[in-house]
Amino acid sequence: DADVTQTPRNRITKTGKRIMLECSQTKGHDRMYWYRQDPGLGLRLIYYSFDVKDINKGEISDGYSVSRQAQAKFSLSLESAIPNQTALYFCATSDRSPGALNGYTFGSGTRLTVV
Amino acid sequence: KQEVTQIPAALSVPEGENLVLNCSFTDSAIYNLQWFRQDPGKGLTSLLLIQSSQREQTSGRLNASLDKSSGRSTLYIAASQPGDSATYLCAVVSIQGAQKLVFGQGTRLTINP
Repeated sequence: DADVTQTPRNRITKTGKRIMLECSQTKGHDRMYWYRQDPGLGLRLIYYSFDVKDINKGEISDGYSVSRQAQAKFSLSLESAIPNQTALYFCATSDRSPGALNGYTFGSGTRLTVV
Repeated sequence: KQEVTQIPAALSVPEGENLVLNCSFTDSAIYNLQWFRQDPGKGLTSLLLIQSSQREQTSGRLNASLDKSSGRSTLYIAASQPGDSATYLCAVVSIQGAQKLVFGQGTRLTINP
């Protein structure tokens, strides 16, 4: 099993629908992140969580919300999906050492298409 | 604000060549730098992680160097193979701020048989 698992792998949804992307990890890491990747724009941070009770906005949080249900689970929700949220979404984890000295681990991504 | 730049954006070389991918960052106060590989539409695979106190890391045919004072890193790929074709991303964790990973936009590498 993968260290960081994202579900679903692919999703097509209609404008205005609510959708949840899920992430679970077996790394035992405290810190979890959601990124989106768009062609030409690279990976941008949406939200991050340093532990279950610590959730922070990233650079592009508008239109998104998150829930950290447990140390191992971090979900990203689009309350009312819009077409410009079509992107590849990644979940990542890191340990709590300063600067994540053991690096980041990424999931395989969720390809979301909003029509 | 940390900014990461990768040059070139795309590179195409014949199989067997040695090649260098470049990464630069604007704030030299970093904890570490990580190189990733991404196949089209797929996830990110970590290749090499260099701590700020290190000068280089090696894994197989890959060698990554770090010159923190000048804000530069290079990824050297020896004896390139068609299977090396992918997008290569570098990312840094800055000391300032919330220690988030900041990415460059990647270099799309094509190795021609």
